[in-house]
Amino acid sequence: GQQVMQIPQYQHVQEGEDFTTYCNSSTTLSNIQWYKQRPGGHPVFLIQLVKSGEVKKQKRLTFQFGEAKKNSSLHITATQTTDVGTYFCAPRGYSGAGSYQLTFGKGTKLSVIP
Amino acid sequence: DSGVTQTPKHLITATGQRVTLRCSPRSGDLSVYWYQQSLDQGLQFLIQYYNGEERAKGNILERFSAQQFPDLHSELNLSSLELGDSALYFCASSRQGNTEAFFGQGTRLTVV
Repeated sequence: GQQVMQIPQYQHVQEGEDFTTYCNSSTTLSNIQWYKQRPGGHPVFLIQLVKSGEVKKQKRLTFQFGEAKKNSSLHITATQTTDVGTYFCAPRGYSGAGSYQLTFGKGTKLSVIP
Repeated sequence: DSGVTQTPKHLITATGQRVTLRCSPRSGDLSVYWYQQSLDQGLQFLIQYYNGEERAKGNILERFSAQQFPDLHSELNLSSLELGDSALYFCASSRQGNTEAFFGQGTRLTVV
């Protein structure tokens, strides 16, 4: 599967501060998905990015796909305690006959201090 | 509720034993993925099945095997268990094509 590196591994922010996590690949990605895993929970899909330079917003979350499709980022504006969790990027790679692999970066664990 | 069912939720077993984890995907989903997540670690991809056939393999140990049955449910078999195999094992499913994956609640395996 396609390998990606996520930075930072951990991030502690004061409630109300912004947060950004980055996902980098050495190869061009066809697309990338983002997932969030709350403490004690399972990963939940957030969004998929496909086009070069694509930017998508979900309320306080902004997702970007780089122009070269080798990197992506997730930015959260004015963090809240409900944003706590681990954020994973996950490139999708074609594995043949209509099926796609799904491999994950190591994730960024976000802690929000009230 | 994601629609993906994993059983059992918890499993405690001794070293050297063999266990089977079960996953029922969402109705209509052809792809099933298995992941291992150790304490505070990322999601390690193990294996993917699509409509009964193995499609991709990750860092899956030789002691581990999996299969997907005609009704599309999948089983992950872990044998000769070691203490280091203690982890949360997730199953996920997705429809044909490049769509989102839905995760089950996971099976927490503890090897003692």
